[in-house]
Parts: sequence; structure tokens; C-alpha cells
Amino acid sequence: DVVMTQTPLSLSVTLGQPASISCKSSQDLVHSDGDTHLSWLHQRPGQPPRLLIYKISNRFSGVPDRFSGSGAGTEFTLKISRVEGDDVGVYYCMQATQYPTFGQGTRLEIK
Amino acid sequence: EVQLLESGGTLVQPGGSLRLSCAASGFNFSSFAMSWVRQAPGKGLEWVSSVSNEGSTFYTVSVRGRFTISRDNSKNALYLQMNSLRDEDTALYYCVKDTHNYGPYYFASWGQGTRVTVSS
Repeated sequence: DVVMTQTPLSLSVTLGQPASISCKSSQDLVHSDGDTHLSWLHQRPGQPPRLLIYKISNRFSGVPDRFSGSGAGTEFTLKISRVEGDDVGVYYCMQATQYPTFGQGTRLEIK
Repeated sequence: EVQLLESGGTLVQPGGSLRLSCAASGFNFSSFAMSWVRQAPGKGLEWVSSVSNEGSTFYTVSVRGRFTISRDNSKNALYLQMNSLRDEDTALYYCVKDTHNYGPYYFASWGQGTRVTVSS
């Protein structure tokens, strides 16, 4: 299995300030099709997850441009340019280059 | 609007069986891969199984040989037959729509989940 390791595991951010989450994979995530199947999801308390970013840096439908993804190979980052109240919850990175595996999750709270 | 409505979760004894269902609407069901993802109480997300739009199936190692995923494109329905259930299968099970026809790749839409509890 590909192991996904997120840091930090928790984050306390002031409203309007930026936030950044790192995700590292135990193997290179470049697929034989040439794409890197790395995505980011957000789960608010008591809600199912929702897709934020796919293929490293593509925002999914309806996701505000405050969210951005970057990276390559085995190291990836999710950035929120200005944290808002609705951003609280847990963020997961996920790879699907091999059978899907998720990071442990990073809990974001408002300071 | 994509809607995914899971059902079938309940309390079951270890070694028992259960069939989960997911009723899909709001999109062309037969064009997309579908998956089950679970979340144990207070824990993170774990992919369980996926089925391509044409029926190719994929399983995580811990459920292979015990769980069977299937779909009925004529009924816009996804299923998960769960046999030989173990304590560690206790979780909220989500029905998930992929972005591709042959997944799993990206988990675009999620249901609210159905809860499975395995306990004597």
C-alpha cells in the first residue's frame, strides 16, 4: 500500500490568515497514464467529505480559489490563502495512483 | 444535483452478513465508477471497494473474499454484500461517485453514509 503522511495533524489559524498542509507519499504517485492521482478532501464536523482538489492542483466544481494545491512526485501541499469559518474540519490527502489510500487527516480549527 | 442515498446499515453479530444499498440520482449512473469508503468511529477514511461503470471490481486487501461490490445500471443502484463480518468492519459506510468511468480516481460526490456496527 502507498502510505500517505500528513503534517501537521492539527492546525489552529486566525481568520483571514493563510494555512498550509503537507502530504508525503511513500512512493512516487506518477501513474502509467502520465497523471498524478493526488486529491484533497475536506470533511466538516458531522458531514461527509467533499472533494476540493484533484490531480494535484485542479479545483473541483464550486471550490473557491482560496484553495490551491501543488507538488509533484512524493510531496504535495494544500494551501488556503485566507482561512474562513467554514474551513474548519479535517483535511485529507488521497492517492489513487494505486489502490486508494488516505492521509491521517489534518484538523483545522479557528484560533 | 447528484444524490446518493445509502441504506442497509444496522447492528450485526461477528460472522454475520449484511447488504448495503445506494440509490443514485441526478447523473448518468451508468457512466461513472462507484465506490464504498468507510470511516470507523472517530477515525479517518478508508477505501473499501470500487466498481467501474461496466462492472470491473476492486477491493482493499482486508475485505477481499468477504465483501462483494456490484451495481445495477438499470436501477441506478450500487450494492455491497458483506459476509463474515468482523469487529473491525464497524464504520460509517459512504457511497461515492467517481469523476471517471473506470476508477477509482477522484471521489467527487458522497452520500451521508449508513452505519454498520459489528458486535455481539
